[in-house]
Amino acid sequence: DGGITQSPKYLFRKEGQNVTLSCEQNLNHDAMYWYRQDPGQGLRLIYYSQIVNDFQKGDIAEGYSVSREKKESFPLTVTSAQKNPTAFYLCASSMRGNQPQHFGDGTRLSIL
Amino acid sequence: AQKVTQAQTEISVVEKEDVTLDCVYETRDTTYYLFWYKQPPSGELVFLIRRNSFDEQNEISGRYSWNFQKSTSSFNFTITASQVVDSAVYFCALSDWAGNQFYFGTGTSLTVIP
Repeated sequence: DGGITQSPKYLFRKEGQNVTLSCEQNLNHDAMYWYRQDPGQGLRLIYYSQIVNDFQKGDIAEGYSVSREKKESFPLTVTSAQKNPTAFYLCASSMRGNQPQHFGDGTRLSIL
Repeated sequence: AQKVTQAQTEISVVEKEDVTLDCVYETRDTTYYLFWYKQPPSGELVFLIRRNSFDEQNEISGRYSWNFQKSTSSFNFTITASQVVDSAVYFCALSDWAGNQFYFGTGTSLTVIP
């Protein structure tokens, strides 16, 4: 079945450590997105990519980095510069930028 | 500024009641898209509807209906004869025409009581 796979489902980070969240899609979608969800704040856009080898910052990109070397993959690295990384992270993809987005199951990141 | 407001944080209804979830948006753009998504307890968001700014026609899909009014910048969602399976968090979202930026509301948590 086509879809978006995020891994791991739960992730723990130590202080000062970088961690990478995986997002893979087999929907042949051009656009991919990373969102952060905090309680009571809805979803906020971290980064998005409309095409391979290109990505743009969203509203809260500081402390995060991404790469888009393959169409299927859009990993998100939470760096040690992100001071409050505890949140639920959702990856999404769409055929093109303004098309409906398909979401993964999310990764819940916590600080040890 | 682009913004989506869902003023209802939590709503509880008894099964079979109708319920309307409100969504008000702000945008400088003359062309844009509006979306509704459902987030069940599992966490994955499920797409429900997309509307472009040119199309103010109301839409009905089974027990779901949407009322888009540009004059009041609202895109409200009504569930008729609610069911327990409708319990979820519902998000309204706004995107620019190219889909380069998405803005989500804070969500409305709906609980349908059997």
